[in-house]
Amino acid sequence: EAGVAQSPRYKIIEKRQSVAFWCNPISGHATLYWYQQILGQGPKLLIQFQNNGVVDDSQLPKDRFSAERLKGVDSTLKIQPAKLEDSAVYLCASSFPRGGGYTGELFFGEGSRLTVL
Amino acid sequence: KNQVEQSPQSLIILEGKNCTLQCNYTVSPFSNLRWYKQDTGRGPVSLTIMTFSENTKSNGRYTATLDADTKQSSLHITASQLSDSASYICVVSGSGGYNKLIFGAGTRLAVHP
Repeated sequence: EAGVAQSPRYKIIEKRQSVAFWCNPISGHATLYWYQQILGQGPKLLIQFQNNGVVDDSQLPKDRFSAERLKGVDSTLKIQPAKLEDSAVYLCASSFPRGGGYTGELFFGEGSRLTVL
Repeated sequence: KNQVEQSPQSLIILEGKNCTLQCNYTVSPFSNLRWYKQDTGRGPVSLTIMTFSENTKSNGRYTATLDADTKQSSLHITASQLSDSASYICVVSGSGGYNKLIFGAGTRLAVHP
């Protein structure tokens, strides 16, 4: 079974530039997550999709971050304009909903490491 | 406030030794607790998932315990190997409605030969 695919693996940009990350979840996984992981910290949820609808984007800095999941499959996360503090690893994860409000097992991609200079 | 705290922050052990990582949480109501292993430069990989009714679960040399009364969990690694060098992240899920996952900051383990 193919895992969660992410690209690019690494990206270096200057502040105020824009960047986009792509994620393709495991086939059949309706739930897709984007996490931001700053060095030495645990992942922080940015946005969660259920199919192509947003479940939670309460911690997404909407003035500069946007995400979409058209057709309920792959997803893109965009940052525009980037700030120095956006330097982090952006992890995509997917899960198969178990029902009854239970969050299924999360499968993570390898992450996209962003460096903002 | 729902929180997950892990200790120690970092740990160095010699190959072949055992170690135990701790996780305390204040998430309520509780649904399940997960341990993930994250190698440097990789995404986290699930080790165990425990529900309220489970107090121990093993995955090879990894054994997780859960005390839902004291809201504590531990991850015990037996006969450590160099490949165990990684960050270990404790994640707690609440119950009822939308079950947000609360992540700990992780324990960074280094196994030296």
